[in-house]
Amino acid sequence: GQNIDQPTEMTATEGAIVQINCTYQTSGFNGLFWYQQHAGEAPTFLSYNVLDGLEEKGRFSSFLSRSKGYSYLLLKELQMKDSASYLCAVRDSNYQLIWGAGTKLIIKP
Amino acid sequence: GAVVSQHPSWVICKSGTSVKIECRSLDFQATTMFWYRQFPKQSLMLMATSNEGSKATYEQGVEKDKFLINHASLTLSTLTVTSAHPEDSSFYICSASSRVTEAFFGQGTRLTVV
Repeated sequence: GQNIDQPTEMTATEGAIVQINCTYQTSGFNGLFWYQQHAGEAPTFLSYNVLDGLEEKGRFSSFLSRSKGYSYLLLKELQMKDSASYLCAVRDSNYQLIWGAGTKLIIKP
Repeated sequence: GAVVSQHPSWVICKSGTSVKIECRSLDFQATTMFWYRQFPKQSLMLMATSNEGSKATYEQGVEKDKFLINHASLTLSTLTVTSAHPEDSSFYICSASSRVTEAFFGQGTRLTVV
């Protein structure tokens, strides 16, 4: 079966750096997505990786290793507003999106 | 980015009645639509995946006879909560994607069953 694993919950301190991991086992691979969701709001698109390596966008970076079935989302200079859930999703060989259960990130002062 | 319109944004209904929520992709053809539910202080939970013209695939624990999903066209999917009860009160949200786009989310529907 297809599966995406990410930690259920993480806690970090304001101003610090946190890395949210995502591992996947899917039938084929056609890209990996990260989304941010604040409770009660629609998720917002953060990043897309289809080739190995690091994609940087301001304070957020996303890394992909296709051979390891692994990605991470790196958040730097954490702010209280970064408290949210972070969703990892993989597009498989049939172009179906497979969703992880999300990681709830709690930022403490 | 592409726009996904979800309607209504909030609804209050009486226990035992049915409620229909619509999800429309306004400027692209969505081959796949997803429906999620989120209870207070919990993560978004995927309920079902629907491909245009096919029956929806429901996640484990989601009652397909209670949550009816229709994806009759490439721009419209509907979720009907049948015989709603107070425990069905939640935030429901849809997303739409195609082979070449990421998933775009609707604004969500807050359902309250009284």
